[in-house]
Amino acid sequence: SQQGEEDPQALSIQEGENATMNCSYKTSINNLQWYRQNSGRGLVHLILIRSNEREKHSGRLRVTLDTSKKSSSLLITASRAADTASYFCASKGGKLIFGQGTELSVKP
Amino acid sequence: GAVVSQHPSRVICKSGTSVKIECRSLDFQATTMFWYRQFPKQSLMLMATSNEGSKATYEQGVEKDKFLINHASLTLSTLTVTSAHPEDSSFYICSARDHTGPGPYEQYFGPGTRLTVT
Repeated sequence: SQQGEEDPQALSIQEGENATMNCSYKTSINNLQWYRQNSGRGLVHLILIRSNEREKHSGRLRVTLDTSKKSSSLLITASRAADTASYFCASKGGKLIFGQGTELSVKP
Repeated sequence: GAVVSQHPSRVICKSGTSVKIECRSLDFQATTMFWYRQFPKQSLMLMATSNEGSKATYEQGVEKDKFLINHASLTLSTLTVTSAHPEDSSFYICSARDHTGPGPYEQYFGPGTRLTVT
């Protein structure tokens, strides 16, 4: 069964704007990871945040984790058309379970 | 980073036939591999966890006799879709867990295999 729920399911923004995606999960986790998937392609690992971390940065990506609310957010700053993709959170207890994903469209 | 390959990348088969998909970890040994399937516009659903040298653990609702998984070596797991039906058409993605080092043990994903059953 799916572990995570993401919102929004779809997000359309203009290039240069920031994009925020949220993810909620159900059970205790060791860490939470965010992945990106271009249409019909494999997954690209973006960032991992451990359960004892609250915030993590990597380039234009900022991830937060609130274990009390069982939620995480992914912020992409200064978005580019090339950021257009589906983004998934995946939480790891013993195995990696994926959320529904957010389909991000960045218009030039 | 570690590389996981899948073969074939695309396969079309007729109803009733079987098709085998290979998943290989190219530069690390993976005692554990995972198989996911993904329908269009949907998320990845974990099908089974494959451990080298032992039987796979299937998720609830996944037919083990239909989706045969073999993990005979530390670098290779195979998924065989037996007696394929059009509803088995999907994108199948494997991942492999690298157990070296202190952790966390990251999973690396293959590029996926698009199966179309006609």
